[in-house]
Amino acid sequence: GQNIDQPTEMTATEGAIVQINCTYQTSGFNGLFWYQQHAGEAPTFLSYNVLDGLEEKGRFSSFLSRSKGYSYLLLKELQMKDSASYLCAVMDSNYQLIWGAGTKLIIKP
Amino acid sequence: ETGVTQTPRHLVMGMTNKKSLKCEQHLGHNAMYWYKQSAKKPLELMFVYSLEERVENNSVPSRFSPECPNSSHLFLHLHTLQPEDSALYLCASSQGGGEPNEQFFGPGTRLTVL
Repeated sequence: GQNIDQPTEMTATEGAIVQINCTYQTSGFNGLFWYQQHAGEAPTFLSYNVLDGLEEKGRFSSFLSRSKGYSYLLLKELQMKDSASYLCAVMDSNYQLIWGAGTKLIIKP
Repeated sequence: ETGVTQTPRHLVMGMTNKKSLKCEQHLGHNAMYWYKQSAKKPLELMFVYSLEERVENNSVPSRFSPECPNSSHLFLHLHTLQPEDSALYLCASSQGGGEPNEQFFGPGTRLTVL
């Protein structure tokens, strides 16, 4: 079967760094997406990785290891507005997204 | 209007009612999706339309009926729902064609079935 695992909830301090992990087992792989979803709002695209390595985009970076079925999202210089759920999703061989349940990130002052 | 819009934003209905959810995308995309989002569960893909033809139907109960009259509009018709169908229903669109393109989501309809 297809499976995406990520922690249910994480807590971090404003100004700090947090890493949200995602492991996956899917039938085929056409890339991994990270989305951010604030409570009551639509998910919004953060990053896409299809090759191994680190992609940096401002305060956010995303890493992929295809051989390990593993990705992480790294958030630096945390701000209160970063409190949200972070969704990991893998595009399978049919170009359909398989979603994790999301990681709720709580930022404390 | 820009992006993906959904109406209504909130809906409360009884189990015997019939209602419809509407989604419209203003991005020129050719693929549209319905997802169900329940608390602490992964997004569940319900239906996919590409070029106005349904290409995916993930064993969704027949009480949910999609309609895609053109590439910009998508409907989800609801009838005789159950309380467990209460959830956030999200519409998304993307540039399809077998490429790994990002999906753009609407704000969702929060559905409560009494």
